[in-house]
Amino acid sequence: AQSVTQLDSQVPVFEEAPVELRCNYSSSVSVYLFWYVQYPNQGLQLLLKYLSGSTLVKGINGFEAEFNKSQTSFHLRKPSVHISDTAEYFCAVSTTGTASKLTFGTGTRLQVTL
Amino acid sequence: DGGITQSPKYLFRKEGQNVTLSCEQNLNHDAMYWYRQDPGQGLRLIYYSQIVNDFQKGDIAEGYSVSREKKESFPLTVTSAQKNPTAFYLCASSMRGEEQPQHFGDGTRLSIL
Repeated sequence: AQSVTQLDSQVPVFEEAPVELRCNYSSSVSVYLFWYVQYPNQGLQLLLKYLSGSTLVKGINGFEAEFNKSQTSFHLRKPSVHISDTAEYFCAVSTTGTASKLTFGTGTRLQVTL
Repeated sequence: DGGITQSPKYLFRKEGQNVTLSCEQNLNHDAMYWYRQDPGQGLRLIYYSQIVNDFQKGDIAEGYSVSREKKESFPLTVTSAQKNPTAFYLCASSMRGEEQPQHFGDGTRLSIL
């Protein structure tokens, strides 16, 4: 079975500073990786996904993530954050043979301040 | 616009009462899912369905039931057997296939009176 670990429950950062949200996964088979964002009292919105090919994937709102197979990581980055990026971020993984089921990490709360 | 509609947004349950949460999608997706979200625990899968008239238990199915009579609809019933039902419930849908991203509704917050 696969699992996902988000190493930081909260990440405070000043506006216009860079940020990295960490995600590590565990799986014995090939994975598909996703990052979602959740604003208060809303559902989740897909930021980006890694399926195959280039290990650097770009998403919406200026976010990008890099897949590192040797370190089993899929860290999310943004070079300059905005106040509006304040939200909860979830890393998720699915694998072949899991009937489209996603396994989520416990989330990282990104708090952007002036 | 296509999307997923969850209703109601807020729901209150009395002790011993069953309640049903609605989830409707017009994305023509085959697969639908129900998740429970508690603070600090991420999302946990309750039930999922890949096709009409078929569904499977997820990781925390006890105290919940579902039906999938139509492709567009996947209602979740929280029964009186669920001893700690207070949570944020999210419905999602996707095309079939592990590489397909899931699309989420805006959730229903259930509280106990």
